[in-house]
Amino acid sequence: GDSVTQMEGPVTLSEEAFLTINCTYTATGYPSLFWYVQYPGEGLQLLLKATKADDKGSNKGFEATYRKETTSFHLEKGSVQVSDSAVYFCALSDNIAGNTGKLIFGQGTTLQVKP
Amino acid sequence: DSGVTQTPKHLITATGQRVTLRCSPRSGDLSVYWYQQSLDQGLQFLIHYYNGEERAKGNILERFSAQQFPDLHSELNLSSLELGDSALYFCASSATFREENSPLHFGNGTRLTVT
Repeated sequence: GDSVTQMEGPVTLSEEAFLTINCTYTATGYPSLFWYVQYPGEGLQLLLKATKADDKGSNKGFEATYRKETTSFHLEKGSVQVSDSAVYFCALSDNIAGNTGKLIFGQGTTLQVKP
Repeated sequence: DSGVTQTPKHLITATGQRVTLRCSPRSGDLSVYWYQQSLDQGLQFLIHYYNGEERAKGNILERFSAQQFPDLHSELNLSSLELGDSALYFCASSATFREENSPLHFGNGTRLTVT
């Protein structure tokens, strides 16, 4: 079945460092891809998404490009802030006709940014 | 604030008991999804309702059931509880039933502890 694999955390960075969180997927169709972020004590929030190959999703300085050839959707940010400390989830949604839009999530990667 | 309300925030109960988790979706959203987040399984899709009808089932145990009422709120019923059912249960809502068209908005979750 479809699956998502993320790099294991925790990832610890200093403020203003460059961030990459790797995400690869396995899917039989042509999924949409997402990054969600979960701050302590809160639910998940959509960070960005891409619905087809070569699309780039971006939001709040974060970017990810849908790479069909490498089945990847790596999350990047040029300069992280302490406020970016959270758990990041990569997810996919199967786009097969009739699909209900349920998401398959990776295990999550904890990011800790130190001042 | 996502606009999705989950109650209660915390629930502590004993093995063998039955509990009901409640979710009020964002105003106007017709889809409600339930997810379970545990340390060993990560985030798992349980079930999806759209406008009162069940649309898809994921890894939901037979001891668990859900429904969506005419006012669109949803309840997740967990019975014959086991220690392994301890987890964070999230509800999410969206306007339609395809994630790529309308993103999921997550509540803050109900933390269930089975002792």
